Amino acid sequence: QKEVEQNSGPLSVPEGAIASLNCTYSDRVSQSFFWYRQYSGKSPELIMSIYSNGDKEDGRFTAQLNKASQYVSLLIRDSQPSDSATYLCAVKTNDYKLSFGAGTTVTVRA
Amino acid sequence: SAVISQKPSRDICQRGTSLTIQCQVDSQVTMMFWYRQQPGQSLTLIATANQGSEATYESGFVIDKFPISRPNLTFSTLTVSNMSPEDSSIYLCSVVSGLAGGNEQFFGPGTRLTVL
Repeated sequence: QKEVEQNSGPLSVPEGAIASLNCTYSDRVSQSFFWYRQYSGKSPELIMSIYSNGDKEDGRFTAQLNKASQYVSLLIRDSQPSDSATYLCAVKTNDYKLSFGAGTTVTVRA
Repeated sequence: SAVISQKPSRDICQRGTSLTIQCQVDSQVTMMFWYRQQPGQSLTLIATANQGSEATYESGFVIDKFPISRPNLTFSTLTVSNMSPEDSSIYLCSVVSGLAGGNEQFFGPGTRLTVL
């Protein structure tokens, strides 16, 4: 079983819609969870971090964490063409190392 | 967050040669890491660059192939030795901002390596 799994893509959504990205992780002691956005040919950019159960909102992005279910998600509201990118879920355990999911590619159709 | 630069940004190399990649941070950081991203794949941690001591390598990565230096708290190098086409990847350094440690990890712009 992979440490971090993301819903397979690619995900295509119309402009203005909500894009929903899911991620599950296997290590129950994981404490910190991150979403990175990676544009084609660029390096990953941190867009959200979440540490406690529940929702965390930042602009059009909402991260949701459920540690009991070992599940973390990212919602992108009012999706824009500029949101078209690959989104990487990353999980940190007790040290500083990150385990990454395979990524979900999102395409926002104008 | 810290500003991270990498040199070179890209290179094309012949098999059997070595390439050293530099990572420079504009402020002192405790934790620095090196990752590899193969074409179409996600990120894989190569090693943790430890200041003043040998790097800590992940399973599947060895010092002879990927020697790492970390002479101070703002700089590290990764060498890809005796390269083969399978080493064609993007190599990224990352840092955890600050000296006190934290949770968030930030990436440099990456070095795109092509081995012929």
